[in-house]
Amino acid sequence: DGGITQSPKYLFRKEGQNVTLSCEQNLNHDAMYWYRQDPGQGLRLIYYSQIVNDFQKGDIAEGYSVSREKKESFPLTVTSAQKNPTAFYLCASSPWEPTSTDTQYFGPGTRLTVL
Amino acid sequence: DQQVKQNSPSLSVQEGRISILNCDYTNSMFDYFLWYKKYPAEGPTFLISISSIKDKNEDGRFTVFLNKSAKHLSLHIVPSQPGDSAVYFCAAKYYNQGGKLIFGQGTELSVKP
Repeated sequence: DGGITQSPKYLFRKEGQNVTLSCEQNLNHDAMYWYRQDPGQGLRLIYYSQIVNDFQKGDIAEGYSVSREKKESFPLTVTSAQKNPTAFYLCASSPWEPTSTDTQYFGPGTRLTVL
Repeated sequence: DQQVKQNSPSLSVQEGRISILNCDYTNSMFDYFLWYKKYPAEGPTFLISISSIKDKNEDGRFTVFLNKSAKHLSLHIVPSQPGDSAVYFCAAKYYNQGGKLIFGQGTELSVKP
């Protein structure tokens, strides 16, 4: 089945440690995105990538880093510089044609808790 | 600055009645609007969309209305069912930024039996 996978579902880390969240898609989509969800704040864009080896900062990129070495994969690293890392993280993908009305497809999310 | 706003954090409706979820936007460069539905601890799923050149789109129990002059859209669910209880996100797309979406804060809908 085509889709987006995120692993793990739940992740616990100690304060001060970097942690990498996985996101893989087999939809052959060009673009991939990372969001975080906090109560009452909706979905806020962290980073996005239109093509391999290229990515742009979203609205809340500070304390995060990404890479896009393969079309299928877009891992997110939450660094120790992120002040409030505990959140629900969502990965999404979509086609990237300027006239496209195709939607973003989301993975199941990863709940990160920093202790 | 929040370009897509959902001013009602929650909504409670009786089963069988109509649910109306509202969304306001500020940027006239948006060319497409979407609604997503999200259950707790899951990723959002696409529900329905509307192009800026239309004022209504219907899909079964779900209808989205767009009022461009007021920069307002709404999602109507008729009749509401308990399984519709979820958080609903409104999203908008710029005409020249490919698949990138701007999301509202979400409205939590509770449909009571």
